[in-house]
This record gives sequence, structure tokens and C-alpha cells, in this order.
Amino acid sequence: NAGVTQTPKFQVLKTGQSMTLQCAQDMNHNSMYWYRQDPGMGLRLIYYSASEGTTDKGEVPNGYNVSRLNKREFSLRLESAAPSQTSVYFCASDRGISYEQYFGPGTRLTVT
Amino acid sequence: AQSVTQPDIHITVSEGASLELRCNYSYGATPYLFWYVQSPGQGLQLLLKYFSGDTLVQGIKGFEAEFKRSQSSFNLRKPSVHWSDAAEYFCARPNFGNEKLTFGTGTRLTIIP
Repeated sequence: NAGVTQTPKFQVLKTGQSMTLQCAQDMNHNSMYWYRQDPGMGLRLIYYSASEGTTDKGEVPNGYNVSRLNKREFSLRLESAAPSQTSVYFCASDRGISYEQYFGPGTRLTVT
Repeated sequence: AQSVTQPDIHITVSEGASLELRCNYSYGATPYLFWYVQSPGQGLQLLLKYFSGDTLVQGIKGFEAEFKRSQSSFNLRKPSVHWSDAAEYFCARPNFGNEKLTFGTGTRLTIIP
């Protein structure tokens, strides 16, 4: 039981490049989330998926897209990376009713 | 908008000393409240949660928190900290606009010998 896994752990991009962050959970959770963490700002919700087949914008969705591929997987795509997207990205999941979220280890992204 | 505030950015405590981390919430008669911990280089882990009932809740790793409606607070406490408690701590509550968790800005805890 791996919980929530994220790939890659680290990534460096040049401005304008694209990439996809992958997230998978093996807890049969309905809801999945993408957050970004920046110093002094806590965690901010980018997108979430309440159930397979649905996605919704969070607090800071601009510049990102998501795909809920199936119940297990929820990916985050940066189509044209910008330096402002330099951050640590966390994926999380929960059953959708308890607010007890389980987090992945994070992806540290640097955009130069 | 409903939110949580953590007034302390950084706290330093000696090993073995007691700890209290502050969290204040705005709006909501009886909000759901949570404390999460993030160890260095890791994701967040739930420490404890308050939904209703007993205002003193026990969590993992020897932590507890007390809900005080009169002070709009949900402070996290531990009677005696260990070096392994060095981490960042986040208070959180659901945003009733979309029912998703909103996190405070975090308090970084440093433990000195």
C-alpha cells in the first residue's frame, strides 16, 4: 500500500516548456487534489477532482490543466511554464467526505 | 471568506519544553478544524481534527488541540517536545464555498537541544 505517489520528485524547466506531473493513489479514494506550496503562503489549491470524470478549479488554476484519468490517477499539466510556477507541488486524496487528506511527497519544480 | 490565521511564522522551543501553536479561525459557528504536520521534504500528515463534541481533541504523536469558541481559536499543544517534532504545522478548515480545505500559512517549529 504505497498511499499517494508523485512523479517526478524534481524537475527543472525552461520558460515556455511543457510538462505533466503524475499522481496516483491506491486507497480507492474518490477525491483528488493538486496544491502548490510557496514560502509564506501555505498550500493553495490549484484543481481538484471530486470523483472520476469530474474536475474543478481551485484558488489558483491559471496556467494549469488537469486530467482525472481514472479513479487512481490525477495529472497536472503545465502547457507553457513560467518562472511564477516555480514551486513545490503536492497531490492529495481523500474519500470525499471526511476532509482527512493523504498527501504525496511532492514535486519540486524550478522554471528558469 | 472563511479562513484560518496562524500568527506565528516561526517558533523555537527547547527539547523537553511545552509547545503551543496558535490558530484562529474566522466565520462559522462551529467549524470543522484540522492540524496537519509537514516534516522536512515530506507531504502533509493529519495530526488531529475537530468536528463537534468534546472541545479537547487528541491526535497522533502526543499532540492535542483545544477548540475555544469564545476566542475563535484551535491551538495545538504538546507537553514535552522531541527533536523529531521539528516540522512545519498547518491549521486548516473547509471553505464552505467549495467545501475544500483552506490551509493557514504555517508555523515552522525549530527544536533546540
